[in-house]
Amino acid sequence: GAGVSQSPSNKVTEKGKDVELRCDPISGHTALYWYRQSLGQGLEFLIYFQGNSAPDKSGLPSDRFSAERTGGSVSTLTIQRTQQEDSAVYLCASSYLAGGFTDTQYFGPGTRLTVL
Amino acid sequence: AQTVTQSQPEMSVQEAETVTLSCTYDTSESDYYLFWYKQPPSRQMILVIRQEAYKQQNATENRFSVNFQKAAKSFSLKISDSQLGDAAMYFCAYRSAWELGNQFYFGTGTSLTVIP
Repeated sequence: GAGVSQSPSNKVTEKGKDVELRCDPISGHTALYWYRQSLGQGLEFLIYFQGNSAPDKSGLPSDRFSAERTGGSVSTLTIQRTQQEDSAVYLCASSYLAGGFTDTQYFGPGTRLTVL
Repeated sequence: AQTVTQSQPEMSVQEAETVTLSCTYDTSESDYYLFWYKQPPSRQMILVIRQEAYKQQNATENRFSVNFQKAAKSFSLKISDSQLGDAAMYFCAYRSAWELGNQFYFGTGTSLTVIP
């Protein structure tokens, strides 16, 4: 079946503008994660959604970052008043959770954000 | 919080040879999952192999195998008969088995070069 998709694949914006990044998880996956990967670095956890539970926002670096997940499926990560340090690849991943059993995360191809 | 350490920022291997990538982690939990992900230049994170901590047998997937040493908190990845397509960043990841749907912890990655 289809994997995790993200759009756009690349986004160039000017400092101070708002951007929206979209993630379509694998159908049926109840958990959705956002990560940030700066150049040459590992993955930095941003936010996690699981079903109808309140999201875990503990990784969001500032209040300029927010995310929502509509209908338990598609998610949008919004960065307001972008700064140059926000330039990175933003990765989305989804996984299936049932009865406390955790499954593997499947990643999308990422969105490369460049803030000029 | 759990930490995952990959002490080899870069590794290289001759085509058809074997290479081992190191990963250590710090946790006080007894049950957890460990993963190796591959990220080629295309940015797409791909699951290579997964290990459940309660299983003593090392996981294998074709040319990929792990050496899981629970007492030493070590989880190394062995790639046999290396191929040019194995060139990528490799990330080690940890996930608790008890925190329902909670975050994964990633190492900083090892960049693998395969020499023809």
